[in-house]
Amino acid sequence: AQSVAQPEDQVNVAEGNPLTVKCTYSVSGNPYLFWYVQYPNRGLQFLLKYITGDNLVKGSYGFEAEFNKSQTSFHLKKPSALVSDSALYFCAVRDGAGGSYIPTFGRGTSLIVHP
Amino acid sequence: DAGVIQSPRHEVTEMGQEVTLRCKPISGHDYLFWYRQTMMRGLELLIYFNNNVPIDDSGMPEDRFSAKMPNASFSTLKIQPSEPRDSAVYFCASSFLQFGEQFFGPGTRLTVL
Repeated sequence: AQSVAQPEDQVNVAEGNPLTVKCTYSVSGNPYLFWYVQYPNRGLQFLLKYITGDNLVKGSYGFEAEFNKSQTSFHLKKPSALVSDSALYFCAVRDGAGGSYIPTFGRGTSLIVHP
Repeated sequence: DAGVIQSPRHEVTEMGQEVTLRCKPISGHDYLFWYRQTMMRGLELLIYFNNNVPIDDSGMPEDRFSAKMPNASFSTLKIQPSEPRDSAVYFCASSFLQFGEQFFGPGTRLTVL
């Protein structure tokens, strides 16, 4: 079975400060991990993914995520937050060991960046 | 490519009416997904297709819901009869290969009165 958890419903950060949105996962095999962003009244947009290779993955809009196998985490980070980063962020995981080819999405974390 | 296209963007209907949502996936993608998003339940996978064949419809809430994919460029999600609790935003998404990222459409906001 595969599962993903986003422990924070909301994250507040001041503009210019670094931000972290947390994600932990559980899979049987190797994980395929994804981050998506949803702006108001829009569909989800793909930000970045980890399949294999370097643990630090760089994505769109200056975001990056670090894969930590021992902590089963894939936290989303950005060195300097912008007000325009305010949105809903979803983490998703798929078990690379087979079974379902469909990723499981977390419940989402609302990121609010204050001016 | 124009991305995933959904229509209509907004739908307001009365309880008991039939509702049909439409989706055009990105050309070349072999997986198509239908999701429903509500504040209470978050993002729910309803059904997905691989090469136009329905693979898993276990997320379809009731027999009132049905989905088809007659060809690689078109899919529909139908609710008959609709109920107020079906009010939600319905997303279609497509992807290439089983581990590819999904590309979401803009969604259809359904309101059932």
